[in-house]
Amino acid sequence: DAKTTQPPSMDCAEGRAANLPCNHSTISGNEYVYWYRQIHSQGPQYIIHGLKNNETNEMASLIITEDRKSSTLILPHATLRDTAVYYCIVKNYGQNFVFGPGTRLSVLP
Amino acid sequence: ETGVTQTPRHLVMGMTNKKSLKCEQHLGHNAMYWYKQSAKKPLELMFVYSLEERVENNSVPSRFSPECPNSSHLFLHLHTLQPEDSALYLCASSQDLPGVVSLDPYNEQFFGPGTRLTVL
Repeated sequence: DAKTTQPPSMDCAEGRAANLPCNHSTISGNEYVYWYRQIHSQGPQYIIHGLKNNETNEMASLIITEDRKSSTLILPHATLRDTAVYYCIVKNYGQNFVFGPGTRLSVLP
Repeated sequence: ETGVTQTPRHLVMGMTNKKSLKCEQHLGHNAMYWYKQSAKKPLELMFVYSLEERVENNSVPSRFSPECPNSSHLFLHLHTLQPEDSALYLCASSQDLPGVVSLDPYNEQFFGPGTRLTVL
């Protein structure tokens, strides 16, 4: 079973920041938080991952709370091409990825 | 070619047919995976290969038979499938070795585009 809970769907206006929350209250000390997204009928695409500190790359920012029980993926300027299902996954090295239902993000014009 | 490729991209087969899905990774990774994604369901892990050895088989029916001849290629052989096996089949690879703790932080899985399978 997935170790995370996410809202099933969210809307975001084009050009605005999309903030996608994820709860992982049972996360253990060695487990990383990963984010993937899946555009319709394509393979999932890696976005970002982190352990404790906030992370940023060219696609997104990841904010992890100090107690590590939740995190937020931020797409700073959402575009229509960011419409996808976003998966938050918690795992340690050597463990398999377990995908839950994710959050379906709709970016609206 | 770069990344993870899958062929064919679309496949329609009858229940008595035998077909194979092919996956190839050009990333020099050590592990390869087959996932199944049925309509409106999360991805389900089917098989895991680490250094060409099968290390995981998640209660997958025997009508699905994986083969990993080398670290770059992974096949899924299909025979006597059922209509409920219609789904998107995804292949992935990673540098991370399943079951092995690694200090390499960049061990995400890279996915192929998938094969859309329809069983009539």
